[in-house]
Amino acid sequence: KAGVTQTPRYLIKTRGQQVTLSCSPISGHRSVSWYQQTPGQGLQFLFEYFSETQRNKGNFPGRFSGRQFSNSRSEMNVSTLELGDSALYLCASSLFAGSRMNTEAFFGQGTRLTVV
Amino acid sequence: TQLLEQSPQFLSIQEGENLTVYCNSSSVFSSLQWYRQEPGEGPVLLVTVVTGGEVKKLKRLTFQFGDARKDSSLHITAAQPGDTGLYLCAGSSGNTGKLIFGQGTTLQVKP
Repeated sequence: KAGVTQTPRYLIKTRGQQVTLSCSPISGHRSVSWYQQTPGQGLQFLFEYFSETQRNKGNFPGRFSGRQFSNSRSEMNVSTLELGDSALYLCASSLFAGSRMNTEAFFGQGTRLTVV
Repeated sequence: TQLLEQSPQFLSIQEGENLTVYCNSSSVFSSLQWYRQEPGEGPVLLVTVVTGGEVKKLKRLTFQFGDARKDSSLHITAAQPGDTGLYLCAGSSGNTGKLIFGQGTTLQVKP
């Protein structure tokens, strides 16, 4: 069974540009969440999508957005990049079929974004 | 706001020693997950605990969920250099896929 796939693995962008990151969840998983990981703040929740709808949103500015497609694949977009957006962006997929065990999340390898 | 306090933040020990990592909150969680992360990679799920008082063992790793489902611990017996990594606890409220993460414990096991 294939795991969570994130592309690209590494990205270098200039301040002011925008970027789109992609995530393909485990087959059959309907929930996709995005996290930002930095040395100072740890793992912080960005948003969660379930059945193409944003179900939860973290405390990030509106420059951070996402979407989910009918095949559960998800993308996140960051516009007007700032130096502080440099981080490892992680995508996690969950089966989420109603029981507590099914909320366990499986992560991709992440996309390392560097803003210069 | 739900928070998870993880301690210690850093741990450097010799091979063969035992250690315990703690994860505490004032909030009740529906389930709690433990992950291990290598540099530059995504976290890998080690275990999920869902019942208050639950104890799960994974080889030399023992995980416990507090009776009130507000805290958890990870105990490693006879640590080995291969255990080196970042250990993360994460709590779920159960009705969404959102996880609240602790700050992590960086473990270094010296041969």
